[in-house]
Amino acid sequence: GESVGLHLPTLSVQEGDNSIINCAYSNSASDYFIWYKQESGKGPQFIIDIRSNMDKRQGQRVTVLLNKTVKHLSLQIAATQPGDSAVYFCAENMESWGKLQFGAGTQVVVTP
Amino acid sequence: DVKVTQSSRYLVKRTGEKVFLECVQDMDHENMFWYRQDPGLGLRLIYFSYDVKMKEKGDIPEGYSVSREKKERFSLILESASTNQTSMYLCASNFKGLAFFGQGTRLTVV
Repeated sequence: GESVGLHLPTLSVQEGDNSIINCAYSNSASDYFIWYKQESGKGPQFIIDIRSNMDKRQGQRVTVLLNKTVKHLSLQIAATQPGDSAVYFCAENMESWGKLQFGAGTQVVVTP
Repeated sequence: DVKVTQSSRYLVKRTGEKVFLECVQDMDHENMFWYRQDPGLGLRLIYFSYDVKMKEKGDIPEGYSVSREKKERFSLILESASTNQTSMYLCASNFKGLAFFGQGTRLTVV
C-alpha cells in the first residue's frame, strides 16, 4: 500500500537553465487550470492559469501548456533563479463554483 | 491585491483542547475553504462555505467543524484536538475558480 510521508518528486535545475514541471490531471470535464508556487512555511501563491479553450499562455518568465488530448499540463520557467526554489503544484477546477483538485506537487531545487 | 489572513502562523495545543483557527479575506468572495496539508498527501479539503451560514463537508471533515457568521470570516474548529490533527492548515477564498491562500497555520497537538 501507499506509505505515509512520500517524498515529492524533485526537479534539480541549474541556475539560468529552463525548468519544465509536468502535471497529469484527472477529469476531462475540467475547464480551468492553475499553477501555484509554495515556498517553505508559506501558503501557495498563484503563478499562472489557463482555461480549456487555450493551449498555451505566457506570463513573466513562465509559460503554461495544456494538452487536453492526454490530460496533461506543464509549467515552463525560463532562466530559473534561486528564488524559484519551491514546491509547484497544479490544480484543476472540477465544478462551476470553484472546488479545486490539487496535484501532489513537484519540489524544484535550483543549484548555483 | 487579495488578502487572506490567518490568525496564527504557529500554534501548539494539548490533546483534548478545543482549537479555533480564524481566517479573514478582504475581497468580498463568497466561497471560502479550509484545507490541511501533510507530506505525501497534498492538500485535502476539510470544509467549504459558499455563503454566510452555509457550509459543506469536504473530503476529510471528521473531527472538525466550521463557522461562517460573516462573509469575510471563516473559522475552523477542532472540537477536541488529537495528535493526528497536527498539520499545516490553509484557508483560501475563491473567485470564479481561482483560489487565494492565506499564509498557513502550523498546528502541533501534543
